[in-house]
Amino acid sequence: EAAVTQSPRNKVTVTGGNVTLSCRQTNSHNYMYWYRQDTGHGLRLIHYSYGAGNLQIGDVPDGYKATRTTQEDFFLLLELASPSQTSLYFCASSNRGGNTLYFGEGSRLIVV
Amino acid sequence: GEQVEQLPSILRVQERSSASINCTYENSASNYFPWYKQEPGENPKLIIDIRSNMERKQIQGLIVLLDKKAKRFSLHITDTQPADSAMYFCAASSGGNNKLTFGQGTVLSVIP
Repeated sequence: EAAVTQSPRNKVTVTGGNVTLSCRQTNSHNYMYWYRQDTGHGLRLIHYSYGAGNLQIGDVPDGYKATRTTQEDFFLLLELASPSQTSLYFCASSNRGGNTLYFGEGSRLIVV
Repeated sequence: GEQVEQLPSILRVQERSSASINCTYENSASNYFPWYKQEPGENPKLIIDIRSNMERKQIQGLIVLLDKKAKRFSLHITDTQPADSAMYFCAASSGGNNKLTFGQGTVLSVIP
């Protein structure tokens, strides 16, 4: 099974703080995704990438940046965190679009 | 883009009965419809999917139906067990943008 590892698993930061969530996949997948999960909203796509150096805008990108440095690594950046960004964040990968997503364990972020 | 509506948000059924979850989508170009199961504290995992060239797919006690004309698809769990208690997400994507859009989720509780 695909291995997707996220860090940190839990993070508390203050409003206006700077946060980086990291994701690494070791299955040579081309596609990587960042989702946030909130009650009543399901999983919403923030950013995704087709490969190293590529970035695509998702459905809820405001307040987030992302960078895909290698095929394995995809980072989500919150440069001025706000309480509305308190959420459970999932990274996922797939070998191509329209195929199975393999999710990481999730990163729970609290912005106070 | 795509919008996916999922109902009901909460579903309680007696053990050994059937459970049904319904989703609708907007983009007629969508051609891939997976279902994910998320157990408490875990990440979502694919349980069954269907592509637009099929109307019905069954894997053991899971049945997925797709009505392209109505832009509707559904998951039916037969002979439910307490182990089926979890959050379920439907999703849809079109091959063109490789984005998977999720529904809001259904919390299924199977009562012994």
